[in-house]
Amino acid sequence: GAGVSQSPRYKVAKRGQDVALRCDPISGHVSLFWYQQALGQGPEFLTYFQNEAQLDKSGLPSDRFFAERPEGSVSTLKIQRTQQEDSAVYLCASSLRGQRGSGNTIYFGEGSWLTVV
Amino acid sequence: GNSVTQMEGPVTLSEEAFLTINCTYTATGYPSLFWYVQYPGEGLQLLLKATKADDKGSNKGFEATYRKETTSFHLEKGSVQVSDSAVYFCALETTSGSRLTFGEGTQLTVNP
Repeated sequence: GAGVSQSPRYKVAKRGQDVALRCDPISGHVSLFWYQQALGQGPEFLTYFQNEAQLDKSGLPSDRFFAERPEGSVSTLKIQRTQQEDSAVYLCASSLRGQRGSGNTIYFGEGSWLTVV
Repeated sequence: GNSVTQMEGPVTLSEEAFLTINCTYTATGYPSLFWYVQYPGEGLQLLLKATKADDKGSNKGFEATYRKETTSFHLEKGSVQVSDSAVYFCALETTSGSRLTFGEGTQLTVNP
């Protein structure tokens, strides 16, 4: 597709369940980002990939959160043993070039809405 | 650390009114500054950007000028439309970082 695609769009998980969220970036985009957006808040950075390399995972809130991008294209964000505080929209974004700080345009997907009950 | 502060919302205006949404930032180095818009049920979209001091970003009638002396990037539009109703996010990216830092967002509602 032409844009960043995320699935599932909506997920309801029982507390303690593991979830996996998928992101298909724009074809050929080197950089891929995951953000977490709580209700009524701005997105918060989780992690960043350049191709298959995870260059920054400092925003992951706990060791229950894990992200991968094994072939440098599709990425999966996995949350183990979900807690209610994990309820949020998880946004994936991609950009064409790998160099940061150049005012690169970052394209966002529509997000995966996770509700933990 | 880096941070972005937006004016508190929500903001409600009548069609054709003048819009200002304030944004100030704290950052190390020389950040690039952005405004993103999130329409209901849609993902974040880049509205405009400015990469250095005194640059003016503009798009769809919206403008924002990068003011280093006041560390601000206020969003303005001379005449809003109902279709501009959305949440607006100010954000920055530092030259040494790999992430965007967002403000909390400002909900704009434009009534006919």
